[in-house]
Amino acid sequence: DTAVSQTPKYLVTQMGNDKSIKCEQNLGHDTMYWYKQDSKKFLKIMFSYNNKELIINETVPNRFSPKSPDKAHLNLHINSLELGDSAVYFCASSPRGSSYNEQFFGPGTRLTVL
Amino acid sequence: GQQVMQIPQYQHVQEGEDFTTYCNSSTTLSNIQWYKQRPGGHPVFLIQLVKSGEVKKQKRLTFQFGEAKKNSSLHITATQTTDVGTYFCAGPQWYSSASKIIFGSGTRLSIRP
Repeated sequence: DTAVSQTPKYLVTQMGNDKSIKCEQNLGHDTMYWYKQDSKKFLKIMFSYNNKELIINETVPNRFSPKSPDKAHLNLHINSLELGDSAVYFCASSPRGSSYNEQFFGPGTRLTVL
Repeated sequence: GQQVMQIPQYQHVQEGEDFTTYCNSSTTLSNIQWYKQRPGGHPVFLIQLVKSGEVKKQKRLTFQFGEAKKNSSLHITATQTTDVGTYFCAGPQWYSSASKIIFGSGTRLSIRP
């Protein structure tokens, strides 16, 4: 069974469109994250949720809106997509929002904005 | 703000040669983690170091945490093609009542068979 799953794996869309990426973890973890990895492989945290509550919100355009319906799910909705949004988006989870806990990453969603 | 820097950015070695990547933080770290990302894959946790001067080994991989807890290294002995990938160190950044992980820029290892 996949521990952290994301859908879709690939997303190709036009500028200006709205799209969503879904993430689910079956590890029973309390904390979930969204990361963005650009073409140079830099991995930057975007959001973190602990038990459905937003605890970290980095300097991310408000076109990006995360939603956590329950602690096993964390979705990412992006409005008015721009070329610069093209990247790989990783969902991750950890037992708690502590830096001492290892993070389990999903397989990633490669977003291409044309 | 806190930065976690990694060098080198790229390393291309002959199979069988050793490889080392270095991680430096601008502030003292409570702990440091290492992750590996295979090409086309996702980051996978390798290890965590917590104590000053700590050294841990995983088969051909040796991880070290500096005495001042501001730097760390990963050394691979006698690289194999399965070692190909990007290696990231990650350290915590604390603010308010939360902490987050700051990932280094990564070192991309490629190997000539």
